[in-house]
Formats: sequence, structure tokens, C-alpha cells
Amino acid sequence: QLQLQESGPGLVKPSETLSLTCTVSGVSVSNPSYYWGWIRQPPGKGLEWIARIDYTGTTYSNPSLKSRVSISVDTSKNQFSLKLNSVTAADTAVYYCASVRHLVLSMDVWGNGTTVTVSS
Amino acid sequence: DIQMTQSPSSLSASVGDRVTITCRASQTISTYLNWYQQKPGKAPKLLIYGASSLQSGVPSRFSGSGSGTDFTLTITSLQPEDFATYFCQQGFSIPHFGGGTKVEIK
Repeated sequence: QLQLQESGPGLVKPSETLSLTCTVSGVSVSNPSYYWGWIRQPPGKGLEWIARIDYTGTTYSNPSLKSRVSISVDTSKNQFSLKLNSVTAADTAVYYCASVRHLVLSMDVWGNGTTVTVSS
Repeated sequence: DIQMTQSPSSLSASVGDRVTITCRASQTISTYLNWYQQKPGKAPKLLIYGASSLQSGVPSRFSGSGSGTDFTLTITSLQPEDFATYFCQQGFSIPHFGGGTKVEIK
């Protein structure tokens, strides 16, 4: 059964880099049937898609965040990761990782989410 | 970017009611439309993908329809566990979510 779990610091200082990892179990991140994605949700607000990656390492990012976002996959650890640099308070959110279905780009299986607060 | 507009933003309903939520895309997206349910403090859960395909394990009282720019999520007989917030999401281009519809107990 496919499961995902986010991990990383819960507190990041302004202007620093937010780094999160998603550990995948039940399916290999090298499986060509899946994309892997990151989504976030600021407190009390809606969902924002951040980026996705496939097993080849091909990435697609939200243009509103593109210059600050880096996403990568580590097949040896069955993980994929997100880095968001130059963070501000506006980046405070619950960050989710998810498996993404090809074609319709539905986020089929989600991690539980991890709260990241940007504050000094 | 293709923007998604959901309506209503909230609604009150009773157990057993038929509930309809609509989602409109700012331009045509064929059937690249997905629906999610989110409960407080929990991750979203996929209900419908490709506008009308029911995700495995989701009760059949949930259904989706539409194509082009106008889409609908219908819950035929609202159950206590269905009180939640529902989001649509387009997968035609850079994914965008609608603003959400909160379904509350009447």
C-alpha cells in the first residue's frame, strides 16, 4: 500500500532555505507510473501546488515560486525532496507531499502534512 | 494560468440531503478536473479524477460530471462523515485548486 510521510524542520528563519523530505513506502519512486508532488496550505487558506518530479528527474514548478523552488528524487532512499529558498512569513504553511497520477494530474495519495513556520 | 472558481463558498445541509457543488474554469480544460475532500487537521482525500471517475474506496454517493469549463460534484445523500471542505483542481496545465466549499451541518 502506497504511503508517504513528510519530514523536516518545523521552524525556519526568514531569508533561509526550507528543506523537506518525503519518504515513500509501498512503491518505488522509480516507478514510471507515478509523478511525485508537493502542495502547501497556509493557515486557514486554500491549497497551492508547488512542484512535481518524475522518476527521470524531470521537474515542473509553479511559476509563482519557480525561481525559489528546487525538487529532487533520491532513488536509493526512496525519497523525494523540496527546497524553497529566501523564505518569508508568507511561506508559513502545512506542506504536503503526494503521488500524482499521469495525465489528469490528480493527487491520489497524500502524506499527513508537516507544518512549517517562518519566523525569527 | 487557468483559474478555478467554486460555488458556493459554503453551504448548510442536513443528513440525507442532495448536495451540489460547482467549479468553473477560466478556460476550457476538457475533463482534467479532480475533486478532493478535506476534514479539519487532515490531508485532502481524492474523491473524483478526470471529472467523473470515482477513486477506489470512495462511496458511490459521490459523483462528478462536466467537461470544458463547468463541473459539478454531487453527494446524493449526505452522511454525517461528509461534513467537510471540498476542493476542485484542474490538471490541464499548471495545477490550480478552487477556493473550496465548506459543507456544514444545518
